[in-house]
Amino acid sequence: DAGITQSPRYKITETGRQVTLMCHQTWSHSYMFWYRQDLGHGLRLIYYSAAADITDKGEVPDGYVVSRSKTENFPLTLESATRSQTSVYFCASRDIVDTSGRIYEQYFGPGTRLTVT
Amino acid sequence: AQKITQTQPGMFVQEKEAVTLDCTYDTSDQSYGLFWYKQPSSGEMIFLIYQGSYDEQNATEGRYSLNFQKARKSANLVISASQLGDSAMYFCAMRGGADGLTFGKGTHLIIQP
Repeated sequence: DAGITQSPRYKITETGRQVTLMCHQTWSHSYMFWYRQDLGHGLRLIYYSAAADITDKGEVPDGYVVSRSKTENFPLTLESATRSQTSVYFCASRDIVDTSGRIYEQYFGPGTRLTVT
Repeated sequence: AQKITQTQPGMFVQEKEAVTLDCTYDTSDQSYGLFWYKQPSSGEMIFLIYQGSYDEQNATEGRYSLNFQKARKSANLVISASQLGDSAMYFCAMRGGADGLTFGKGTHLIIQP
């Protein structure tokens, strides 16, 4: 199916465990993003990637690791999960800025609800 | 740094009435984009409308329009003839010089029959 998918959709893990959230998009979009959504905070950017092998930190990167070996995949790893990382995680992608200067909208995956106990 | 402020945590509106959701922003970038997203109770993020900082006309998409007042740094979303299905969280967001979107905290809109 075309679009952007995330797996798993729900995950419960224990404090200190490593967990990886997967994101896959079929549009060949250059840019991919990870956000977390917490009550009272809206969505906050964790990491983003402008292309394969190019990643950069967002607003709240501590405790997270990303990689992007292929354009279509952008996994997010919590190396040692903490309770404060309990959240809903959204992956998103967008195309590059076009020559007219229009900034393309981001398309979001369905989200992963992560609970750290 | 960019900042988005949505001052209405929640709103109740009668069905068929027009709704205005407030959004103010702060940025030092000259070129930027403003977005509105809808998040229904099912949780997905749905793109609604986009306004570029250099666009002279206010953006419109069906029943959605964006009231863009650059001097006031405001980008309010207007929903005409509200429907029960418009009940959702609405997020204003912007992208400036850096990649990634900065989001406001959202407005919870409830449409009453």
